[in-house]
Formats: sequence, C-alpha cells, structure tokens
Amino acid sequence: AQKVTQAQTEISVVEKEDVTLDCVYETRDTTYYLFWYKQPPSGELVFLIRRNSFDEQNEISGRYSWNFQKSTSSFNFTITASQVVDSAVYFCALEASGTYKYIFGTGTRLKVLA
Amino acid sequence: EAQVTQNPRYLITVTGKKLTVTCSQNMNHEYMSWYRQDPGLGLRQIYYSMNVEVTDKGDVPEGYKVSRKEKRNFPLILESPSPNQTSLYFCASSPRQGATGELFFGEGSRLTVL
Repeated sequence: AQKVTQAQTEISVVEKEDVTLDCVYETRDTTYYLFWYKQPPSGELVFLIRRNSFDEQNEISGRYSWNFQKSTSSFNFTITASQVVDSAVYFCALEASGTYKYIFGTGTRLKVLA
Repeated sequence: EAQVTQNPRYLITVTGKKLTVTCSQNMNHEYMSWYRQDPGLGLRQIYYSMNVEVTDKGDVPEGYKVSRKEKRNFPLILESPSPNQTSLYFCASSPRQGATGELFFGEGSRLTVL
C-alpha cells in the first residue's frame, strides 16, 4: 500500500524564520514521483516541485529547498526566511509510476506571522 | 490561457437530487482526475482517466460516476447525493506522455448536500 504522512498538522512561525515541512512516504515501487503543492487561502492548488525516485539531488528554488532522502523515505520542504505570503496549506503527494494514482498527505497548514 | 475549468464553483443541493460537476481543460492533456478535499483528510482521488473512454477508480469512488467521451471534458456525476458527499472537489489534468507529470488543478467546486 502507498501512503504519505505529513505529521505536522499546523505550524506557526514568525516572519523571517526558517521552517521545514516534513513528508514521509511509503511505497513498494522502485519508480515513483513525489510532489509538493501549495494551497493559499484563496483555495487554488499550485504545483511547487516534482522529484523522481532516481534523483536524490536536493533542489533549491529561491527561498524554497527540498531534501529527498530515500533511506528515510522522506521528502522534506524548507522555506528560508519565511514571509507572510507563504501562509498556506502545503501538500506532499506520491505517484508510483504507471499507476495513475496520486496519494496526497493530509497537508500542513503554515501560518507566518508578521 | 491554459486552464482547467470547473462548474459550478458553489452548489447547495438536497439529498437524492442528481447533479453533475463539469470539468474542462484546454491543454490537450491525456490524463484527468477528480479529488475531494475534506478537513483532516487531505485530497483523496475519486476517479481518474488515462484517455478518452478509459477511466478507473481512485481511493474513494463510492457514490460517484464519471465519463470521458471527449479528451477535454471529464464530468463528475453524483447520481443520488448524500450529506457525506459534502466536500470541496477538484478536477485536475496532466500531460502524461509516458512520464508522470504535475497536476494542473481547477479552482474547486464546493458542494453542500442537505
């Protein structure tokens, strides 16, 4: 069975603090994809990143960075110097290649306080 | 503008009254899928379609039907809605093309069943 766990239900930080959102996944497949999506208060879902199971390189995009570790089945997301506009619900998702089924975590609500 | 369009965006209905939520994408994507978002449960996949006339169940298909007669459209049908189908629904599409792609989401449809 495939599963995505986001144990942090809600996190509050003060602006300019760094924050890490955890994502732990379970799958027996050797080929799979991991994603992060952002859902701001306006409600839409915005794609942030996709990573395949063969690429463990960490990625940085501006203030965002992602740490993929197959050894611990984790795909964590760090926001550096958080801003109020980062306040949103963040979802981690998994798709085993070829299954066409996307499994989402329950989301982490991030509140960045001014 | 590339987009996924859902209608209606908001709907209040009564138990047992059949309804259809439409979804249309203008990106020529092969893959389309439906999700429901509930507090504490994240997004759960209802149905997905790999291409025209090819559909399959996701994790929570009970009480829903879908069809894919045209590439651009993927309506979600609730034949006899019940209060436990009150939820926020998202349609998404993806350019599969042999590799797992990011999901492009519609703006969501908030359904209340009384």
